[in-house]
Amino acid sequence: SAVISQKPSRDICQRGTSLTIQCQVDSQVTMMFWYRQQPGQSLTLIATANQGSEATYESGFVIDKFPISRPNLTFSTLTVSNMSPEDSSIYLCSASGGTQDEKLFFGSGTQLSVL
Amino acid sequence: SQQGEEDPQALSIQEGENATMNCSYKTSINNLQWYRQNSGRGLVHLILIRSNEREKHSGRLRVTLDTSKKSSSLLITASRAADTASYFCATGRYNTDKLIFGTGTRLQVFP
Repeated sequence: SAVISQKPSRDICQRGTSLTIQCQVDSQVTMMFWYRQQPGQSLTLIATANQGSEATYESGFVIDKFPISRPNLTFSTLTVSNMSPEDSSIYLCSASGGTQDEKLFFGSGTQLSVL
Repeated sequence: SQQGEEDPQALSIQEGENATMNCSYKTSINNLQWYRQNSGRGLVHLILIRSNEREKHSGRLRVTLDTSKKSSSLLITASRAADTASYFCATGRYNTDKLIFGTGTRLQVFP
């Protein structure tokens, strides 16, 4: 299993600013993912954070808006850039051990409110 | 959208009753998983069933999978107030580690 620490747990931000969310895993993991969950909704995959290379984004999400870093096998960041009220969501970091261990472990989430 | 659908959207039961949630999906899958989420925070993995399995048990949880109908069900037996949460199915496909989550069922168990 893996324990994921995500911070900040919540933030209130002004329109037009950026917020960087950090995700730290207590062990080396193969895959890391970032999800968004709008109020009362399901999880939508934003991107796969690839170690040492550019993230792979899902349809509807772009690097300029959601730049992602993954400098090593235990750490990743997601930045929400030039925020608008529509970006108000819970952002969740997750990790798996790879194809031999398909289940995901999740951080406790970052609740973002944009005014 | 490739997202799976779950029903019911919300379910309210008394302690001791059984709760059944259903999940339908659209594509071929390698596995199907169920997760639990308390109060809109991080999700916790409950159980995984592979595409060549039809039924799986874990404690008070029973999961079935019908790949011909592209559907799964999660049964929680003898529910407790502590089972109150949102439950999501998630599908895993071949050659990818990504999971696609369903719409979720909000379960309320009254003591």
